[in-house]
Amino acid sequence: GQNIDQPTEMTATEGAIVQINCTYQTSGFNGLFWYQQHAGEAPTFLSYNVLDGLEEKGRFSSFLSRSKGYSYLLLKELQMKDSASYLCAVRDSNYQLIWGAGTKLIIKP
Amino acid sequence: TAGITQAPTSQILAAGRSMTLRCTQDMRHNAMYWYRQDLGLGLRLIHYSNTAGTTGKGEVPDGYSVSRANTDDFPLTLASAVPSQTSVYFCASSEAEGANVLTFGAGSRLTVL
Repeated sequence: GQNIDQPTEMTATEGAIVQINCTYQTSGFNGLFWYQQHAGEAPTFLSYNVLDGLEEKGRFSSFLSRSKGYSYLLLKELQMKDSASYLCAVRDSNYQLIWGAGTKLIIKP
Repeated sequence: TAGITQAPTSQILAAGRSMTLRCTQDMRHNAMYWYRQDLGLGLRLIHYSNTAGTTGKGEVPDGYSVSRANTDDFPLTLASAVPSQTSVYFCASSEAEGANVLTFGAGSRLTVL
């Protein structure tokens, strides 16, 4: 079967750095996505990786290793507004998105 | 503001009743999707439409139906609701099938008693 694993919950301090990991086992691979979802709101697109390596976008970076079936989302200079769930999703060989259950990130002052 | 409008925001429904969740987008996106989101689970695709006039089944289609009469609207119908359909439902769209970015609506919270 297809599977996306990410931690259920993480806690970090305002101003610090946090890394949210995602491992996947899917039928084929056509890209990995990270979405942010604030409580009670819609998911919003953060990043897309299809080649190995690091993609940087402001305070957020996303890394991919296809050989290891692994990605991480790195959030720097954490702000209280970063408190949200972060969803990892992989597009499989049929171009269907397989979603992880999400990581709830709690930021403490 | 361009985007996706879902209605209703929330609804309590008696088991056995029918219900239609509405979804309208104004971005002229070709592809549209319905997902359900349940605690502890990833988003699960119910139905999708790659272009007006066509629809397809996702991972969990049973008990749901959709139609795509035009580009903008993609309603989801529950013909006879059951308690296991209690969930938050998200409509989403993308420029085309396989596009990298999904735009989501704000969600519809449905409780079936």
